[in-house]
Amino acid sequence: DSGVTQTPKHLITATGQRVTLRCSPRSGDLSVYWYQQSLDQGLQFLIQYYNGEERAKGNILERFSAQQFPDLHSELNLSSLELGDSALYFCASSVGPSENYEQYFGPGTRLTVT
Amino acid sequence: AQSVTQLDSQVPVFEEAPVELRCNYSSSVSVYLFWYVQYPNQGLQLLLKYLSGSTLVESINGFEAEFNKSQTSFHLRKPSVHISDTAEYFCAVKYAGGTSYGKLTFGQGTILTVHP
Repeated sequence: DSGVTQTPKHLITATGQRVTLRCSPRSGDLSVYWYQQSLDQGLQFLIQYYNGEERAKGNILERFSAQQFPDLHSELNLSSLELGDSALYFCASSVGPSENYEQYFGPGTRLTVT
Repeated sequence: AQSVTQLDSQVPVFEEAPVELRCNYSSSVSVYLFWYVQYPNQGLQLLLKYLSGSTLVESINGFEAEFNKSQTSFHLRKPSVHISDTAEYFCAVKYAGGTSYGKLTFGQGTILTVHP
């Protein structure tokens, strides 16, 4: 158990809908990362937050948004869902924001868009 | 562009045989290298990491990886595999400096299947 929690574990929804994925980092970790794992794109970095502020953006679609709250949990919002958004979404956390801090991954949320 | 290439998408081996999973990354001045393992229906677990120092790093379950700067490689090896090593393995790189911050760039993954 990495100490990173993600809810829900599974989510099934229809095209055009909006969903929210939630992540609680390990105790003491200030930085949160979101990754998407899909069959065709592999594991891709979406976005990073550090202590409530956005730090880096990757291949995140405009239909997707995220935020980190004062209690350090983070939410990833996916809207106008398409079939291609079906994927496993991972959250990871680290103590600090930069490259020399180890990232711990949560178990993921499996999103299925029908 | 920063990229990581895992040269084999699938590697089947027999139990107790040696295995090597290959990983190459696009060159950069300074990198931090990782191997993660993903068991079926589970999240990613850190297997081992190279941050600095000795170029040979080891995990607690017998895997080792060697950082080769001239070859821009970080291949994963195990001298004798077990059935329980069956999983997908991901090589990942953090590129120091610029706007990379802490993001990990992953390879496409190698599925290791150990047969009895």
